[in-house]
Amino acid sequence: DTAVSQTPKYLVTQMGNDKSIKCEQNLGHDTMYWYKQDSKKFLKIMFSYNNKELIINETVPNRFSPKSPDKAHLNLHINSLELGDSAVYFCASSLRAGESGFVFGETQYFGPGTRLLVL
Amino acid sequence: GQNIDQPTEMTATEGAIVQINCTYQTSGFNGLFWYQQHAGEAPTFLSYNVLDGLEEKGRFSSFLSRSKGYSYLLLKELQMKDSASYLCAALDSNYQLIWGAGTKLIIKP
Repeated sequence: DTAVSQTPKYLVTQMGNDKSIKCEQNLGHDTMYWYKQDSKKFLKIMFSYNNKELIINETVPNRFSPKSPDKAHLNLHINSLELGDSAVYFCASSLRAGESGFVFGETQYFGPGTRLLVL
Repeated sequence: GQNIDQPTEMTATEGAIVQINCTYQTSGFNGLFWYQQHAGEAPTFLSYNVLDGLEEKGRFSSFLSRSKGYSYLLLKELQMKDSASYLCAALDSNYQLIWGAGTKLIIKP
């Protein structure tokens, strides 16, 4: 029944490793997002992906790459992990219907988060 | 630039009323959201305002003034479970959500 799910919930890894976080939504939404929440609890948008259109936050390093095999999935791949990548990563989805744009309030439904710790 | 301001922390007493303010500056405006986030959990949707005025939903109400770039979240009959962070987010002209850093609300018995 989970609307937006993420795996793994916890991820502890060494600097320099490559890791992926998976996200799936069963809401039939068109748009998915990745957020990073740092220790100050500030939510920073990393990517949004809508009907194969990827919008990238320019401040996100290119070590981060989203991959969407289909509309229900948006995975986050991170290369060469750094200490500063330690944070909670949230996946979210919203209804926005492609080219028709805004549908209703763009309410975003969040996954449970993945707590990444880079040692 | 785009900016959302809200207090970092507030304290209130169980059973009381608290108002959490949020001011925003965005490139265009398509509405304002309030989300609740308990420690260690994901944000959950509370309210959405796009027109001026007050929207009431049970113990929680949200107000918007577009001309002032201002919103508040009003929580009545506070319960201990209301202890959480409350995130204000504005939808800009590109339908991107601009998030505030959140207000940590502490409820005391």
